[in-house]
Parts: sequence; structure tokens; C-alpha cells
Amino acid sequence: EVQLVESGGVVVQPGGSLRLSCAASGFTFDDYAMHWVRQAPGKGLEWVSLISWDGGSTYYADSVKGRFTISRDNSKNSLYLQMNSLRAEDTALYYCAKDIRPDGGYYMDVWGKGTTVTVSS
Amino acid sequence: DIQMTQSPSSLSASVGDRVTITCRASQSISSYLNWYQQKPGKAPKLLIYAASSLQSGVPSRFSGSGSGTDFTLTISSLQPEDFATYYCQQKDTFGQGTKLEIK
Repeated sequence: EVQLVESGGVVVQPGGSLRLSCAASGFTFDDYAMHWVRQAPGKGLEWVSLISWDGGSTYYADSVKGRFTISRDNSKNSLYLQMNSLRAEDTALYYCAKDIRPDGGYYMDVWGKGTTVTVSS
Repeated sequence: DIQMTQSPSSLSASVGDRVTITCRASQSISSYLNWYQQKPGKAPKLLIYAASSLQSGVPSRFSGSGSGTDFTLTISSLQPEDFATYYCQQKDTFGQGTKLEIK
């Protein structure tokens, strides 16, 4: 079964840091680009970041550029999102999602259930 | 930046109805347009990619069309399980969503 399982979401203070993880199974992880997408409570979807199959190319939404870093470890079938300088507006459910292409076609065909990040004092 | 605008924002319909949701891009995006369905408390699900290609496993009552700036998602005969929120997406930008509710 193709599966993505996110973890690492917690309550963190403004200005704090957090690392999210996403464990992949059921497919050849290093054949595909991967994304992080978030959804604030009661709001729509917001794309956050993309990493190519080999980690050689990364892309970020303007709202997180310079604060978040996406990475992957293909030997562990894992995707990560390092989140620094967190703000209240980063509060959201964070999904990892698999692209259908290795270089990132922005077609997300498999999604995890998400992990919740709350930024609050 | 390209903006994606969906209409309507919400829609009430009955089982068996034909429903159309529209997505407009602020500039031409060729056929780089995807549609997702999201049910409450669940992750989004890819329905249509590249404007008109049906994702594997998605019922054929769902279809997509359009190119350039104007796109549509059509559900030919609404089923009870289709009541959800639908999002269009172009690369790094999602539309604001269309909530489809039971009339």
C-alpha cells in the first residue's frame, strides 16, 4: 500500500523551530519529487515547498522562503521540513504529498493525513 | 504571480444533478491545471490532472476541460459521496475552493 505518514507537529512558541518528517512506503521513494502543503484551520490549501527526486532542486512559497528548508533522505524513504522563525500564521495542518514526476510536475497523487503545527505563546 | 479564481465559492445541489465548477487563471497556463477533492477531516485527493486527464481510480462522472485561462470541472451525476470541497491548482497556487453541499 502506498502510504505517507507525517510526524513532528506540536505547539511551539513564536520564533521557535520545528522539524517535520514524512515517512514514505509502498513506492520507490527516490523516483519522485515530494511536496509540503499546508492548510490553516478552516482555510484552503497552500503549497509550501517542493524537492526533486535527488534533492538537487528545491522550491519554496514566498511566505516561507528563508525560514523553512525542505530536505529528503532517500536511504530512509523520508522527507523533512525544517521550520525556523515560526510565526502565528504558520499554524496549520501540514501535509506531505508525492508528485507523479521526479523533477516536480506539481501533480500530487498521494497525500499523507497531515501533522498539526500550532504556533502560540 | 498567477492567481487562480474559482467560482462559485459554494454550491448547493441534489443527488443526480450535473454540476460545473469553474477555475480562471490570471494569465495563460496552457493545460497545467489540476483538480482535487477534499472531504472534511481528510487529505485532498487528485481527481483530474493536466486539465482533462482522469486520475486512476476516479469515477468517470468526473471530467475536466479547458486550456489557457478558463477551466471547468464537471460532475455528470452527483452521488452522495461527492459532497466535498473542490480545489483547482496550477503549480504552486491553489484556488480558494468550492464547497459543494447537499440541497
